[in-house]
Amino acid sequence: DVKVTQSSRYLVKRTGEKVFLECVQDMDHENMFWYRQDPGLGLRLIYFSYDVKMKEKGDIPEGYSVSREKKERFSLILESASTNQTSMYLCASSSSPSNQPQHFGDGTRLSIL
Amino acid sequence: AQTVTQSQPEMSVQEAETVTLSCTYDTSESDYYLFWYKQPPSRQMILVIRQEAYKQQNATENRFSVNFQKAAKSFSLKISDSQLGDAAMYFCAYRSNNQGGKLIFGQGTELSVKP
Repeated sequence: DVKVTQSSRYLVKRTGEKVFLECVQDMDHENMFWYRQDPGLGLRLIYFSYDVKMKEKGDIPEGYSVSREKKERFSLILESASTNQTSMYLCASSSSPSNQPQHFGDGTRLSIL
Repeated sequence: AQTVTQSQPEMSVQEAETVTLSCTYDTSESDYYLFWYKQPPSRQMILVIRQEAYKQQNATENRFSVNFQKAAKSFSLKISDSQLGDAAMYFCAYRSNNQGGKLIFGQGTELSVKP
């Protein structure tokens, strides 16, 4: 079974802090994704990566950056956290063919005070 | 750009009854994939069912089936013999065949199941 592990289920940070959200998958998947989930908006794609050191902007990349130094790990970085980044963050991974489903982590509920 | 719309924020069904969740999408592509994901209170997103656009036959997985109308760009999910464990948020999602696998999600429908 595919396992996607997010480092924290709950996280509380202060405005202006640099925040790191970590995601690790154990199935050697090429593709990894970071989504943000807000009520009434569904999931929105922040960034994704096809391969090590490669990244692509999603629909809402502003205020975020990512890092993929190893195939199994994809990090989301909030350079200077703001209150409007309070949200649920979901990481996912998938293998390359487009018909393959994405496998999700349990999510990190991030609160910025 | 592709969009996915779920017009029912909340739905309710009696245990053992059937419920249908609606989803429409907009795309100019002919080759794509559609998915229904379930997110229970535990937050783990679980794939329920998927449909390839080139297949005319509707996908079925046990009590879950879809009604895929390609011309109408409609992709509804039918849950038969509803169980208490079906209570969750359900998301419809679209995936292009040529954009690296990223998913575009609808807003979600929260399904409650009454005993």
